[in-house]
Amino acid sequence: DAGVTQSPTHLIKTRGQQVTLRCSPKSGHDTVSWYQQALGQGPQFIFQYYEEEERQRGNFPDRFSGHQFPNYSSELNVNALLLGDSALYLCASSAVPGADEKLFFGSGTQLSVL
Amino acid sequence: KQEVTQIPAALSVPEGENLVLNCSFTDSAIYNLQWFRQDPGKGLTSLLLIQSSQREQTSGRLNASLDKSSGRSTLYIAASQPGDSATYLCAVRRNTDKLIFGTGTRLQVFP
Repeated sequence: DAGVTQSPTHLIKTRGQQVTLRCSPKSGHDTVSWYQQALGQGPQFIFQYYEEEERQRGNFPDRFSGHQFPNYSSELNVNALLLGDSALYLCASSAVPGADEKLFFGSGTQLSVL
Repeated sequence: KQEVTQIPAALSVPEGENLVLNCSFTDSAIYNLQWFRQDPGKGLTSLLLIQSSQREQTSGRLNASLDKSSGRSTLYIAASQPGDSATYLCAVRRNTDKLIFGTGTRLQVFP
């Protein structure tokens, strides 16, 4: 049973560019959340997708957008990259939004913006 | 606004010691609390989940307690091993779906 998978594992971009990160949830899960983790910090919630819609959003600018596909996989897009966007981006999945379940995290995508 | 604090920020101990990691949160109206382990540059592995109605959860050498009224949780690691070396994060969930994380405790267990 595959867990949460993310791609790519590492990415290097320059300021002003755009990036797309991908996530496939754990089998049986239909809810995907994205988190940003800066070096030495705890993860910060970006947004959550369920039934192909954004259900909740954290305190991130509109440069951060996402999408969920019918197969429950998800993409995180970041436009006009800034140096401060350099971080580990984590995807998490769960079976039902708001349920009493553990969140399962992927290994993350390490984004470096030069 | 919910804030989560973890103390200590870093800990270095010899193998075999019993450890206590602390997590405190400012708003006691939580849904549950979860402890995670993170290896360097890697994702998070869920260790224990405690519902707001529970007092503690145990898994192997790990025991997590929750005192919601005082806004505190502890993670107890018995007979620590070098393989336990990692960063340990606690996170609380309110009646929404997002987790609010602390900044973690970086643990090193040396032989």
